[in-house]
Amino acid sequence: QQPVQSPQAVILREGEDAVINCSSSKALYSVHWYRQKHGEAPVFLMILLKGGEQKGHEKISASFNEKKQQSSLYLTASQLSYSGTYFCGTKGGGSTLGRLYFGRGTQLTVWP
Amino acid sequence: EPEVTQTPSHQVTQMGQEVILRCVPISNHLYFYWYRQILGQKVEFLVSFYNNEISEKSEIFDDQFSVERPDGSNFTLKIRSTKLEDSAMYFCASSEADTEAFFGQGTRLTVV
Repeated sequence: QQPVQSPQAVILREGEDAVINCSSSKALYSVHWYRQKHGEAPVFLMILLKGGEQKGHEKISASFNEKKQQSSLYLTASQLSYSGTYFCGTKGGGSTLGRLYFGRGTQLTVWP
Repeated sequence: EPEVTQTPSHQVTQMGQEVILRCVPISNHLYFYWYRQILGQKVEFLVSFYNNEISEKSEIFDDQFSVERPDGSNFTLKIRSTKLEDSAMYFCASSEADTEAFFGQGTRLTVV
């Protein structure tokens, strides 16, 4: 039930855009996106609960296609502070007690 | 801003010894989780806890692991007889309901 993330790694220049994808073979109830800096805890970015939902946080936004069981994270005009590993976490079913299944992560490096 | 706190930040233990990792979740949260992350790998779910009992556990969470909420604030993970492969970063997380999970800064466990 672990989601599959792609790409594994992205290297960008400051100001460039990136897309990180997350897909699951199981029906999804919600998708959670986190960013983790080296040696630190994952930090919550956003949660998407409905099919077709899109959310944004500054220049980071995400979409959730419930039918395709996919979510994408869009990083626009990337900043140095965006560097880190991005994880998607997915929950299936409708239970609030459902665990998060994390993907393997996408390592994003932004250079000046 | 409320946060999840974990102690200790780093623990070194000999193989076969018991360790207890401690967590203080955010005070109004009802759902508690333990995750672990082996160096360079993805975040893996261990166990979720709600209403004073385990609600879900992964295949990693075998008989050597146990969790407890000994009082109204602490949430502990005990590893009974540590093995070398238990070396990892252990994250505690808490959430209100089916919302974002907030992670603590982690305890780095090194088994020698």
